Amino acid sequence: EVQLVESGGGLVQPGGSLRLSCAASGFTFSTYWMRWARQAPGKGLEWVASIKEDGSEKAYVDSVKGRFTISRDNAKNSLYLQMNSLRAEDTAVYYCVHMLRGLPFDYWGQGTLVTVSS
Amino acid sequence: DVVMTQSPLSLPVTLGQPASISCRSSQTFVYSDGNTYLNWFQQRPGQSPRRLIYKVSNRDSGVPDRFSGSGSGTDFTLRISRVEAEDVGVYYCMQATHWPWTFGQGTKVEIK
Repeated sequence: EVQLVESGGGLVQPGGSLRLSCAASGFTFSTYWMRWARQAPGKGLEWVASIKEDGSEKAYVDSVKGRFTISRDNAKNSLYLQMNSLRAEDTAVYYCVHMLRGLPFDYWGQGTLVTVSS
Repeated sequence: DVVMTQSPLSLPVTLGQPASISCRSSQTFVYSDGNTYLNWFQQRPGQSPRRLIYKVSNRDSGVPDRFSGSGSGTDFTLRISRVEAEDVGVYYCMQATHWPWTFGQGTKVEIK
């Protein structure tokens, strides 16, 4: 059974940093792209970042470029999102996602809430 | 970025009746492999999103056959043949061809 378990969310002041983690199990983690998506309270969904199987390619939505870094540790079956220079508009539930766009595989974690506030 | 626009944004439905959600994109989005990566997601209250449809019309594993997707070019539709109580939630279309992948605003489905 595929499981994605996020951790690391919490309350942080504007300008602060936070590192999210996602523990993956139930599939061969090292052979798939992995992604982070987010959802601000009461709002819609937004893709944040994606990373290739071996970490050699990364992509970010414009609003987080230069502030967020996606990474992975295939030996630990873990995905990370380092978030720096956090802003109030980064407040959201962050989801770890394993989704194949051309095949019937779609898995989301339960999400971890990040609140940026003074 | 590809802008996805859904309508309606709110959809009151009667149990057992059909429902339909429209999604229009700001441009076509055919990938180099010839596929149009148009997806539909369901998000029930308090839950994580769940994909229902991928590549316009393919149902994900475990998705009831009352859900169907269709469309081409810039116009796509999600249909529910007979709405059940468990279908209440917000539905999103999403294109996964051009990065950043983009979602529609969401359509809230509720029972009348």
